[in-house]
Formats: sequence, structure tokens, C-alpha cells
Amino acid sequence: DTGVSQDPRHKITKRGQNVTFRCDPISEHNRLYWYRQTLGQGPEFLTYFQNEAQLEKSRLLSDRFSAERPKGSFSTLEIQRTEQGDSAMYLCASSETSGRLNNEQFFGPGTRLTVL
Amino acid sequence: AQSVAQPEDQVNVAEGNPLTVKCTYSVSGNPYLFWYVQYPNRGLQFLLKYITGDNLVKGSYGFEAEFNKSQTSFHLKKPSALVSDSALYFCAVRDRGGDTGRRALTFGSGTRLQVQP
Repeated sequence: DTGVSQDPRHKITKRGQNVTFRCDPISEHNRLYWYRQTLGQGPEFLTYFQNEAQLEKSRLLSDRFSAERPKGSFSTLEIQRTEQGDSAMYLCASSETSGRLNNEQFFGPGTRLTVL
Repeated sequence: AQSVAQPEDQVNVAEGNPLTVKCTYSVSGNPYLFWYVQYPNRGLQFLLKYITGDNLVKGSYGFEAEFNKSQTSFHLKKPSALVSDSALYFCAVRDRGGDTGRRALTFGSGTRLQVQP
């Protein structure tokens, strides 16, 4: 499968614990995005990378959230000291910078986080 | 700031009838517009996009959408609905903005399409 993959698919944690999610984009895509989706809502933008550079961060991305893309390939999203309000589906997407598929973002299946 | 409105939480249609899912947008410049579909326990799947050119855009699974600049709308349509089209549909917008424009998509809250047999 050459699509966007995310790991884990589900994560249950206790309030106050740290969690880390991984996203592997489509291999030739140099743009990578993180979104968060809560029940009954559309995805909300968190952050965006072009290669290894983090170019944009949403105000939703509090100090407890950090994202990295160290080699411009896979990315990780870490949430420290989780809160119940962090419970959501975390979606990763990737896109090309040019060509026919420019601007089109391909989404992974998401990581569903439940904070108890 | 960019925003998207999907005024209907749910649309019900009988199989074989035409369907329309509404979307209106707001951007400061010219828009890129997208429709995505989400099936239960699956990620968002791209349906179609408007970048430039013909206002009627054709996409996957027989869906199409019409860009109307004066009404700032991008309604999703299909001439004949299938039960398998039942899913959650999201409209999204990005400001064209060039290299300095915001790359992230802004999504609407979604419309649940229910096609009855």
C-alpha cells in the first residue's frame, strides 16, 4: 500500500501521560500536515511541514504539542501531559509541491486518541 | 481568514434520485476548493477539486461540483444517488495565496448523506 500510513490506529492513555504518534507520508510527497478531528466536526489544522521545516502552526497547537519531521520523511506528533480534551482523531496528510496532483492532500486513516 | 459553511447536517435522498450537498466559502483571495468523503472507520478520501478553469468539476464515483464565484459556493452533486454513497462529506477551501499563502485546508463541519433504498 503506497498511501499515507499512521501508527498506532488507536491509543488509550491516562490523563497526564505522554503519547507519540507517527505518520509515514506517500514517499514522493514533501509536504506533510497534521489535523485533529473531534466527533461531529471537520478536521482542524494543527501544523504543516515542507521537507523537514515546520512552516506553519495553528493556535490549536499548545505548548504541550510538538511535531517533528527530522529527515523530511516520516513525522511524529507528541502530546505531553495529556488532557481529556485531547481525545480526538489525529489525521496526517501529505501532498506534492508541483505537477498534476499539486494542492491535493492525501489523508491517512488517523490515530484515535482516548484520554481517560 | 478562510472559512467554510455546510448548512445541512444531514441530507436524505432516495436511491436513483439526484443529490446536492451544499457548501459556501469565504477566502480573502481566490480559492482552491475540495470535496472529501469519509466512510466509517476510514480516512478522508479525495473526491474532486476546483483549481481553475471550467466551473463544473467532475470527480470520482460520478460526483461533480459547480464553482460559483458570485455566490461563493461549491455545491456537490450527483445525478443518481446510490446507497453506497451514504457517508460523511466535507467541503474544504484553501486560499490560492501563492508561495506565501496558507497551505492548510479549512474544512466545513461535514454533511451526512443518507441514501435510502
